[in-house]
Order: sequence, then C-alpha cells, then structure tokens
Amino acid sequence: NAGVTQTPKFQVLKTGQSMTLQCAQDMNHEYMSWYRQDPGMGLRLIHYSVGAGITDQGEVPNGYNVSRSTTEDFPLRLLSAAPSQTSVYFCASSPDRAAWQPQHFGDGTRLSIL
Amino acid sequence: AQKVTQAQTEISVVEKEDVTLDCVYETRDTTYYLFWYKQPPSGELVFLIRRNSFDEQNEISGRYSWNFQKSTSSFNFTITASQVVDSAVYFCALDGGGATNKLIFGTGTLLAVQP
Repeated sequence: NAGVTQTPKFQVLKTGQSMTLQCAQDMNHEYMSWYRQDPGMGLRLIHYSVGAGITDQGEVPNGYNVSRSTTEDFPLRLLSAAPSQTSVYFCASSPDRAAWQPQHFGDGTRLSIL
Repeated sequence: AQKVTQAQTEISVVEKEDVTLDCVYETRDTTYYLFWYKQPPSGELVFLIRRNSFDEQNEISGRYSWNFQKSTSSFNFTITASQVVDSAVYFCALDGGGATNKLIFGTGTLLAVQP
C-alpha cells in the first residue's frame, strides 16, 4: 500500500518560477491537507480539502493555490516562488474530517527557492 | 484560540535514561483530541498516539507512556530506558474539530539519545 505519495522529494527553484507539488493517496481518503515545516515553527496548515471539488484556506495560504479534481490527488501550486517559501512541505490525508482521525503524512518535499 | 506549547527545544540524554517530553495546550473547545507524532532523521512523520479530552487515563505502549492531565492542560510523553533509535523530533498536536479538521502543532522537541 503506497499511502500518501509526494513528488518531487527535492526541488530547487529560482525566485519567480512556478511549480506544482504533487500529492496522491490511494486510501480513498476524503480529507487532504498541505503543511509547511519551518525551523522553530512546527507545521503550519496551508490549504485543506474535505472532498473532491472542495478546498479552503489554512493558516498560511498566501502564495499557494490548490485544487481537488479527484479524491486521490491534491496538488499544491506555487504561483511565483519567493525565498520565504523555502521549506519542507508535507501532504496529509485522513478518512474524513473528524477531529479524532490521525493524519497520514507523505514523506515530504524539500523545496529551496534561490 | 488554540495553541500547543513544547517548551523544550532540545533534549540530550544518554542511552537507557528515562526522558519526558512536555506538551501544554490551550483550547476553549470541550471536545478535542491530542496527538503525538515522531519525525526521525529520515524526515517522515509517524503517528504515535491519540487521546480525546474525555479520557484522562494514562497510556503505556512498551517503553512509551503518556500522561494526560486536563487540570494542567498537559499531555506529556515519557520514554523509559531510551535508545538511540528514539532520536527524533517529537511533535505534540491539538485538534479541536469544529467545521474543519485542523491540527495545531507545537514547535517540536528534538531528542538526541547518545550511546
């Protein structure tokens, strides 16, 4: 079982470039989310989705777009990369939006913006 | 507002020592869930335990134990007889539910277990 798969694992971008971080899960989970992890700040929620066609903003959404056309996929788009977006990005999923559900995390994407 | 505080940024112990990682939370919700996640040097996040706000029983799983106290808003994690493989960053997290499923993470505690 693949679980939550994130690609790429590493990426270096120049300021102003755009790119899409991919996230796919094969567990038929309704809830998916994106977090960024920065030193000394833990993980912060960027965007989340409670099901196909439904997305909403988290704590730090500026500079990022998401879409959820299928249950399986939840890509995160950086529109115009900035050095402040250098971070480790984690995608997570859970069966539904119930608060008691632990999140299943992908292995992360390490992104550097020069 | 919801908040999770892990005041210990880094802890270093020698193998076989016991170590406690502190977690203090803030929430106005009456129903909420607390979690601990482990992030080993390889970087992935691994779910360790969940506790709901109505269950204050302590839990033990092998060398791991958790102490949940609503009176002090704490959910502390103890590793008994630590091992080098326990070296990781440990995150405490809070989910108050409501209309969305949002995990609020603490800043993490880096545990280094020296041989």
